[in-house]
Amino acid sequence: AQKITQTQPGMFVQEKEAVTLDCTYDTSDQSYGLFWYKQPSSGEMIFLIYQGSYDEQNATEGRYSLNFQKARKSANLVISASQLGDSAMYFCAMRSNTNAGKSTFGDGTTLTVKP
Amino acid sequence: DTEVTQTPKHLVMGMTNKKSLKCEQHMGHRAMYWYKQKAKKPPELMFVYSYEKLSINESVPSRFSPECPNSSLLNLHLHALQPEDSALYLCASSLSLRDTEAFFGQGTRLTVV
Repeated sequence: AQKITQTQPGMFVQEKEAVTLDCTYDTSDQSYGLFWYKQPSSGEMIFLIYQGSYDEQNATEGRYSLNFQKARKSANLVISASQLGDSAMYFCAMRSNTNAGKSTFGDGTTLTVKP
Repeated sequence: DTEVTQTPKHLVMGMTNKKSLKCEQHMGHRAMYWYKQKAKKPPELMFVYSYEKLSINESVPSRFSPECPNSSLLNLHLHALQPEDSALYLCASSLSLRDTEAFFGQGTRLTVV
C-alpha cells in the first residue's frame, strides 16, 4: 500500500520569504514518481513539480524546488520568495508503476502568505 | 493548448434529476480521470479511462456513470444522486497511465438538493 503524509495542516509565511512544505511517503515499489499540486480557492489543481525515484538531482521549476531524500522517504516542497498569490492548498502526491493510473494524495497543507 | 475544460462550472440538481458533467482536452492525452473532492480534503479517484476504455473503477456507486465517446471527451452521467454526493468533481488527463504529469480542469461544483 502507498501512503503520503503531510503533517502541516496550515502554514504561514511572510511575503518574499522562503517556506518548506513537508511530505513523507511510504511505498514498497522501486519505481515511483512524486509530485506537488497547488489548489487555489477557485478549485483547479495546478501541477507544480515532479521528482522521479531514480532522479539523482532535486527537481526545480522556477521558484519551486523539491528536496528529495530517498532514504528518509521525504519529498519536501520549497517555495522561494513567497508571493501573495502562493496562498493556496498544496498537495503532495505519488504514483508508481505497479498502480498505473492511480495517484495517492496527502491530506494537503494550506499555505497563507502574509503581506 | 494545455487546458482541460470542464462544463458546467457549477451545477445544482435535485435527487431525481439526470445531469451530465463534461470534460474536454485537445492535448492528445490518452488517459483521462474523474476525481471527487470534498472541501479541504484530497481528491478521491473515481474512474480512469485509457485509450477510451475504462481501466479503473474505484467501486463507485452506479448512480455515477462514466462515458468516453472519443479520445478528447469524458462525460460523467449523474442520476438519482444523494446530498452527500455534493462535491467538487475534477477531471484530469495525462499522456498515458504511466505519465508523470496530469493536467486538471477547474472542476464542477455540484450541489445535490
